[in-house]
Amino acid sequence: AQKITQTQPGMFVQEKEAVTLDCTYDTSDPSYGLFWYKQPSSGEMIFLIYQGSYDQQNATEGRYSLNFQKARKSANLVISASQLGDSAMYFCAMREGNAGNMLTFGGGTRLMVKP
Amino acid sequence: DTGVSQDPRHKITKRGQNVTFRCDPISEHNRLYWYRQTLGQGPEFLTYFQNEAQLEKSRLLSDRFSAERPKGSFSTLEIQRTEQGDSAMYLCASRQTTGELFFGEGSRLTVL
Repeated sequence: AQKITQTQPGMFVQEKEAVTLDCTYDTSDPSYGLFWYKQPSSGEMIFLIYQGSYDQQNATEGRYSLNFQKARKSANLVISASQLGDSAMYFCAMREGNAGNMLTFGGGTRLMVKP
Repeated sequence: DTGVSQDPRHKITKRGQNVTFRCDPISEHNRLYWYRQTLGQGPEFLTYFQNEAQLEKSRLLSDRFSAERPKGSFSTLEIQRTEQGDSAMYLCASRQTTGELFFGEGSRLTVL
């Protein structure tokens, strides 16, 4: 079974509007961390936001927020006030407590911001 | 530049040749990771070092692949007898004991 599932291969959003990128995960480990990375065409993976499985509140970092619904095993990324520079691939990833230190990534969502 | 650096950024080689990639992590980071990313996919974990010790290896890391981090600083990833299926972006990342993972810009390999 896929550990990280991103069901949206591509998304369009109008500049200045908000957009939600979906991510669901599968783990039996009670301790895990969820991450979102942005990958522009240059190839570098840029860390955006982190949510720990025991965190009581949803993580926020500037225009990024993570809608963490533990019972549904979802960790959707919300980008508010989209900018043209937000156009990129976005990857959801998970680090499980008993899996050493590796991150498992989803297949990604390509976000395209329209002017 | 104090980020993770990788060299070369692009490599084109013929099938059967050997290639080597180098990664210089952020200097105070003791943990170093290699990932492989094929077109349209998310990165897949290959291997992980803590200081000079290679602590985890993925099943993806066949016997043609070898990674080293001899002095606990930079790392090399060598692919012997390359195959067309090895064509991918090879990403290096580093972090401290806790904290986020910082990635380099990757080394893109094309095997003809």
